[in-house]
Amino acid sequence: SQTIHQWPATLVQPVGSPLSLECTVEGTSNPNLYWYRQAAGRGLQLLFYSVGIGQISSEVPQNLSASRPQDRQFILSSKKLLLSDSGFYLCAWSQLASGYTDTQYFGPGTRLTVL
Amino acid sequence: AQSVAQPEDQVNVAEGNPLTVKCTYSVSGNPYLFWYVQYPNRGLQFLLKYITGDNLVKGSYGFEAEFNKSQTSFHLKKPSALVSDSALYFCAVRGGFSGGYNKLIFGAGTRLAVHP
Repeated sequence: SQTIHQWPATLVQPVGSPLSLECTVEGTSNPNLYWYRQAAGRGLQLLFYSVGIGQISSEVPQNLSASRPQDRQFILSSKKLLLSDSGFYLCAWSQLASGYTDTQYFGPGTRLTVL
Repeated sequence: AQSVAQPEDQVNVAEGNPLTVKCTYSVSGNPYLFWYVQYPNRGLQFLLKYITGDNLVKGSYGFEAEFNKSQTSFHLKKPSALVSDSALYFCAVRGGFSGGYNKLIFGAGTRLAVHP
């Protein structure tokens, strides 16, 4: 069966510091990968998605970047964090299926607090 | 453009009573609809989805959802609520497809509170 991991689970960082969040998926190959941010425990904002190694699409221009160095690894980064980067970051994966109805499955999330 | 609306910020239900969490959608073409649940400080868990076929879709934990094309709705239901069902519920619609990417458009979420 497939599993998705995220770490760290929680992170407190000062403004202006760098960021690296990691997401890995097990039990599948060539998944689509996604990064979301959830602010104030409510709506989800899609940040980045990837359909393959080195292929990253950004949904919203911002202070963050993403990379996919391996098939099942997705990294969210920032060179200098802003207060507004605080939130709950969720990674998700999906597998392209016939009819393009693939379901997205989410990781446990990383709680980021920027002070 | 595809969109989804969850008109209720919060739904309060007594344990043992039936529950309904509402969702309406707007899509061009056939709608692909999803429900997810999120417990505090956890990721989203997939509950069920409608692609085609029967309008009543059964999912995890005793939940089901009814697809109504004429009312463009996809309400989540459960015959008898449990206190442990208290969580944040998200409705989502497939936004579009290009290049192998299946984008989901999420509603703002509805907080379900089940009282003993």
